[in-house]
Amino acid sequence: GENVEQHPSTLSVQEGDSAVIKCTYSDSASNYFPWYKQELGKRPQLIIDIRSNVGEKKDQRIAVTLNKTAKHFSLHITETQPEDSAVYFCAASINSGNTPLVFGKGTRLSVIA
Amino acid sequence: GAVVSQHPSWVICKSGTSVKIECRSLDFQATTMFWYRQFPKQSLMLMATSNEGSKATYEQGVEKDKFLINHASLTLSTLTVTSAHPEDSSFYICSARSQGNEQFFGPGTRLTVL
Repeated sequence: GENVEQHPSTLSVQEGDSAVIKCTYSDSASNYFPWYKQELGKRPQLIIDIRSNVGEKKDQRIAVTLNKTAKHFSLHITETQPEDSAVYFCAASINSGNTPLVFGKGTRLSVIA
Repeated sequence: GAVVSQHPSWVICKSGTSVKIECRSLDFQATTMFWYRQFPKQSLMLMATSNEGSKATYEQGVEKDKFLINHASLTLSTLTVTSAHPEDSSFYICSARSQGNEQFFGPGTRLTVL
């Protein structure tokens, strides 16, 4: 089955700097890669996703890149703000039917003002 | 956007009792819902995949007789933790898959078993 590795487990950046979180996956059949942000005690919120037919997607300060050959994808947050502090999870799945998402272990991002 | 509700948001119960958690997709139909468990400072661990009108598919190591799942309609799935014990205390989160195949999460249920 699918296995998703995520790095780093913790990340501290100064406000205004960029943050990058990287994930690798094992199943070459996976074609859907979402990123979730989870604040303490709350539900994971989908912040951006990418499908295998594109290599990059951007939404304001957030971007995701995908390298299918190498089986890795990354989340980039630019101009970080204190409210970006949270745990971020990457996930991968075959985007069909009842195939579940497989999550990485998460990255705790701290943005220092 | 797609909204998923979950009830109750928290529950405290005595050891040996059963607890039912409801997961509803409010503005879309979900043929597939997923149940996760999350321990403090850890990732989401998939427990089971719930399919409307059929039996749930459980992940390895998850006891189907202890965690009963019923997906009675396209908008409702329930998870019943039977004979709960302190080690079952956790944050239980459901998610529902939309027609666009995105997964949206419920707000979670924090279960504490005394």
